[in-house]
Amino acid sequence: GIQVEQSPPDLILQEGANSTLRCNFSDSVNNLQWFHQNPWGQLINLFYIPSGTKQNGRLSATTVATERYSLLYISSSQTTDSGVYFCAVRRFMNNNAGNMLTFGGGTRLMVKP
Amino acid sequence: DAGVTQSPTHLIKTRGQQVTLRCSPKSGHDTVSWYQQALGQGPQFIFQYYEEEERQRGNFPDRFSGHQFPNYSSELNVNALLLGDSALYLCASSPLGGRAFFGQGTRLTVV
Repeated sequence: GIQVEQSPPDLILQEGANSTLRCNFSDSVNNLQWFHQNPWGQLINLFYIPSGTKQNGRLSATTVATERYSLLYISSSQTTDSGVYFCAVRRFMNNNAGNMLTFGGGTRLMVKP
Repeated sequence: DAGVTQSPTHLIKTRGQQVTLRCSPKSGHDTVSWYQQALGQGPQFIFQYYEEEERQRGNFPDRFSGHQFPNYSSELNVNALLLGDSALYLCASSPLGGRAFFGQGTRLTVV
């Protein structure tokens, strides 16, 4: 199956700092999503980005599908950004074969005040 | 518009018992997937339902089974519970092949 690796595994930032999280995947994908998991376990959608660049406030993401990686940028970090960030990829096989998400191991971010 | 809802939020069961978890998908979504997340790890795919049939299955034993109803809601059943089944169980809904949205999860503890 497809392999998804995220780096770094752990990251500690001072409030206001910028950071870049990386997601590498081992095969071609049609879809890629970034999630933020809060302390209560809820997976919050950040980006649906199979290719290209998107921005949402202080967060932006870029996926280069041909080179099999995606980057999540967090600017001017805040304590509320703390949590685990997951990258998940999906390979759409055909209409009836299913399209599971394969998750990376996550990046655990702590933003200190 | 309600998002994906799961019930119950927390559950404690004894080894050997059976458990049923429930999921209502986001409005307009017809595909439901279930994931297991052990502590400190990323979610692992259990199976996916579309048109009331299991379409894809991950590497989980037959003790894990499911069902999808005509209104697209779904159940996850786990028989003969083991201590290792303790985890956060997440339900995701999407249009087929589309963006997935997750519920808040059910935290299962097996004692």
